[in-house]
Amino acid sequence: DAMVIQNPRYQVTQFGKPVTLSCSQTLNHNVMYWYQQKSSQAPKLLFHYYDKDFNNEADTPDNFQSRRPNTSFCFLDIRSPGLGDAAMYLCATSFSTGTGIYNEQFFGPGTRLTVL
Amino acid sequence: AQKVTQAQTEISVVEKEDVTLDCVYETRDTTYYLFWYKQPPSGELVFLIRRNSFDEQNEISGRYSWNFQKSTSSFNFTITASQVVDSAVYFCALSEARRGNTPLVFGKGTRLSVIA
Repeated sequence: DAMVIQNPRYQVTQFGKPVTLSCSQTLNHNVMYWYQQKSSQAPKLLFHYYDKDFNNEADTPDNFQSRRPNTSFCFLDIRSPGLGDAAMYLCATSFSTGTGIYNEQFFGPGTRLTVL
Repeated sequence: AQKVTQAQTEISVVEKEDVTLDCVYETRDTTYYLFWYKQPPSGELVFLIRRNSFDEQNEISGRYSWNFQKSTSSFNFTITASQVVDSAVYFCALSEARRGNTPLVFGKGTRLSVIA
């Protein structure tokens, strides 16, 4: 089945120790998104890639970076995790033709990050 | 600016009862998309429905139905004969269609508990 895969499902890191979360997709979608979801809150968009074009949300901290080496993979790098970065990180994909028709986003299962 | 309001934070119902989840949105655009997603305890966001602003026809899918009313800027979701498996957090979301990949704006979610 075509899907969005996130690894690992659970990640524990230490305060200030860099961590990378990965996302892969078999849907061949051209747009990939990273969301942060804290407990009992709505997902908050960090950034997205439209093909190779990176789009950062204005309020995303510099501590968060992303890489998309190819269509299928996208990585979220947290350079110096703080206690406030503990959250669920959701990857999503969608297909866009850029014509204003907005297709639904498909989400992966998420990676729950714990910062000690 | 876009905004989605889900006034109901938590709802509890007894199995087989009908339940309606409210969603009110704000947008200045005439073309936009509305979505509902389900987030079960496993964490993955599951797409339920997409509706564009030009299609006010109500939709029914099994026990699920959606009522879109542009006059009141509402997009409510009803589950008929609720089941324990319906227990989850439900998010309503909005996207303006000015760009093909305009990010989703989520409401804060409604936690539905269906008690056997």
